[in-house]
Amino acid sequence: GQNIDQPTEMTATEGAIVQINCTYQTSGFNGLFWYQQHAGEAPTFLSYNVLDGLEEKGRFSSFLSRSKGYSYLLLKELQMKDSASYLCAVRDNEPGGYQKVTFGIGTKLQVIP
Amino acid sequence: EPEVTQTPSHQVTQMGQEVILRCVPISNHLYFYWYRQILGQKVEFLVSFYNNEISEKSEIFDDQFSVERPDGSNFTLKIRSTKLEDSAMYFCASRGANYGYTFGSGTRLTVV
Repeated sequence: GQNIDQPTEMTATEGAIVQINCTYQTSGFNGLFWYQQHAGEAPTFLSYNVLDGLEEKGRFSSFLSRSKGYSYLLLKELQMKDSASYLCAVRDNEPGGYQKVTFGIGTKLQVIP
Repeated sequence: EPEVTQTPSHQVTQMGQEVILRCVPISNHLYFYWYRQILGQKVEFLVSFYNNEISEKSEIFDDQFSVERPDGSNFTLKIRSTKLEDSAMYFCASRGANYGYTFGSGTRLTVV
């Protein structure tokens, strides 16, 4: 099975930087995703890490440490539109060669002026 | 940009009735998924589908659920006898040979 932990809520100020952490326990690890989900909408892909290190994509960066079972999503120059839930999701290799992605509960980020 | 299409966007049904949720995955994708999200809760895996058969299913996906790819484009989720607790947002997703999952905009199912 899998265990994915992330804070349920965070608040940050417009223009600031915020780091959302995710820890996981799983067997057959084969990648970690971050998704953004606005209320009532579908998750949208932000980033994917399968090797250790930092992946930067514009204002968003994602970090992975496989040995620690740890990832974070870093959002810079926060904008009001960044208020959303951020979902950490882990992909497992399953028996038979299949893969499954399991989501954490999501971190609801509120950006305030 | 290619997208996953889901219909209807909102379905209201009476308890005990059958519902079919429809999805059109991205045309060159090979792997298909259904997830659900009960209001305020996390996105939960239901089932994955590859090569015209179920590759994995969760404990949620019991005998009341079934999936089908009736033709080359549609991917459906059927709930035979809906229960109140089936009320949720149902997301279809697909992926190709790379890692990226693309989600549809979801069907909000309300069982009354």
